[in-house]
Amino acid sequence: NAGVMQNPRHLVRRRGQEARLRCSPMKGHSHVYWYRQLPEEGLKFMVYLQKENIIDESGMPKERFSAEFPKEGPSILRIQQVVRGDSAAYFCASSPIYGTTLLGEQFFGPGTRLTVL
Amino acid sequence: DQQVKQNSPSLSVQEGRISILNCDYTNSMFDYFLWYKKYPAEGPTFLISISSIKDKNEDGRFTVFLNKSAKHLSLHIVPSQPGDSAVYFCAAIRSGGSNYKLTFGKGTLLTVNP
Repeated sequence: NAGVMQNPRHLVRRRGQEARLRCSPMKGHSHVYWYRQLPEEGLKFMVYLQKENIIDESGMPKERFSAEFPKEGPSILRIQQVVRGDSAAYFCASSPIYGTTLLGEQFFGPGTRLTVL
Repeated sequence: DQQVKQNSPSLSVQEGRISILNCDYTNSMFDYFLWYKKYPAEGPTFLISISSIKDKNEDGRFTVFLNKSAKHLSLHIVPSQPGDSAVYFCAAIRSGGSNYKLTFGKGTLLTVNP
């Protein structure tokens, strides 16, 4: 029973390049959440998606960031024209139903560590 | 604006003793609280939670206490074991509306010494 999978685990980009982070939720989970952890900070909510729908993107920066969760395939967090301040750990989480079986419980992946040179 | 605060970046305890991790929150709309444990290079894993209608929840060696009037919660681990060494995150949620949006503290690094 595979958990939440994220790839790549480490990603290095130069300023101005694009970063694509992938997340495959746990089997049977149709709700995906992305969080970002900046150095010395806690995780901060970015976006909540269901299949083919963005439910809440209130935590996403207005520019350069986008997310999708297509009908088939993993969820993608895309960062265009990366800057040094985008360097962080990006965690994906999934849950089986809205609000989860246990309120607020989300199953997290191991994260993608993005380094922008 | 840090709505969930963990003011101790680190804590060191001896194996077998009690570990107490503290968390304060400022948003009175939060009504459900969770603790997550995180090992290096892994994602956070759910540990224990408490609803605001309770003041205590216990699960084996882990107990969470909630003081609503003080907007304070704590996680007690007893007895502490070396395998408990990890970063512990306190998180809060509003059960109405956006009950998926976890608000995390910065975490406390717990080290349990053998």
